Order: sequence, then C-alpha cells, then structure tokens
Amino acid sequence: AQSVTQLGSHVSVSEGALVLLRCNYSSSVPPYLFWYVQYPNQGLQLLLKYTSAATLVKGINGFEAEFKKSETSFHLTKPSAHMSDAAEYFCAVSAAGYSTLTFGKGTMLLVSP
Amino acid sequence: GAGVSQSPRYKVTKRGQDVTLRCDPISSHATLYWYQQALGQGPEFLTYFNYEAQPDKSGLPSDRFSAERPEGSISTLTIQRTEQRDSAMYRCASSLGVQETQYFGPGTRLLVL
Repeated sequence: AQSVTQLGSHVSVSEGALVLLRCNYSSSVPPYLFWYVQYPNQGLQLLLKYTSAATLVKGINGFEAEFKKSETSFHLTKPSAHMSDAAEYFCAVSAAGYSTLTFGKGTMLLVSP
Repeated sequence: GAGVSQSPRYKVTKRGQDVTLRCDPISSHATLYWYQQALGQGPEFLTYFNYEAQPDKSGLPSDRFSAERPEGSISTLTIQRTEQRDSAMYRCASSLGVQETQYFGPGTRLLVL
C-alpha cells in the first residue's frame, strides 16, 4: 500500500522567494512519484514525475523535485516564485508497474507581491 | 479531442436520486480513470478501464457506484440513490496506456442536498 503526506495545507511566499512544498511518501515497493498542479476551474496538470531514473527531476515552469529514498521524501522547489504560481499542488505516488495514483491532501501556494 | 472533457461541470441533485457523470477522454487513449475528491482532500481512486475492460474497481465505495466504458472511449459513472456523503468533485483522467502519464479533465462537482 502507498500513502502520501503533504506538510502544510497552505504555504505563503513573497514573489521572488524560494518555493518549498514538502511531500513524504510511504510505499512497500519501489515508488513512482508525481507532482500535479491545479489552477482554479482547471484539471490537474502534471508538473513532473520520478520513475526510478535520475533522482533530481526537472519539470515545467521552473519547478524541480528531488527523490530521497533515505528520507522517503519528494519535495518540490522553485528558486523564485511568480504570482502565476499561486495554485494548489498535489503530490502523488504509485507503485512501479501499477497505474493507480494515491494523492496527498494538497498544499495551496499563496504568492504575495 | 484535444483534452479530457467532463460533463456536466456542476450537478445539484436531491438525496435518493440517481446521477450519471460523463467523461470523454483524449482520443487514442486506451486507459481511463475515475477519482473522487472530497472537499479538503486529495483525489481518491475509484476505478479504471483499459479499453472497455475494467480491471480494478476496488475503490468504488459501495454498490451504488458503477462505471461503464462500453466502446472503449467515452465513460460514464453512475451513482444510484445518492446520499449527502457522495457530494464531491469527480475527476476523470486518461492515458495512452497503463503506467503512462495521466491527463485530467476539469471535473464534475456534485452536490447532493
């Protein structure tokens, strides 16, 4: 079984500041890990995914995440926040070889000028 | 189509009524998923289809929930005798195949009064 914990239901940053959204996972088998973003009135959009290749994964819009097996973490970062990054972010896990995604509860990112 | 579409976008119904939600996946996508997302939670897996086959429906919460994809394209999710606890966002996603990236539709928000 898999599970995901996202620390912080809301994260506030200033424009230009570092963005760090935390995700810890639990999986009894090698995991695939994902970050999705949801803008208002839109569907979930894939930001990036880890599927057992490079541990540092680069995604769209300047986001990246690092898979750390020893810490069971897959935190999402961006060096400099833009106002357009304000959205809800979901971390998800699936077992390698299976397709079903298990999502965390989401983190709302607020960006202030 | 260009993206995953879902209809209706919003549905208000009275307790005890049946509702049917529709998902139109990206054309050529073999695999289609249904998720349920309660307020303040992440999406939770309900069921998925590979073409018209339904290999996993372990996430359906009760026998009041059923899904179909008779021709391997459009899918419907039906909830019989709706209850207030069924109020949620229902999300559909499709992918080229199992283990491929899932692309999400905008969702259907269901409110049961």
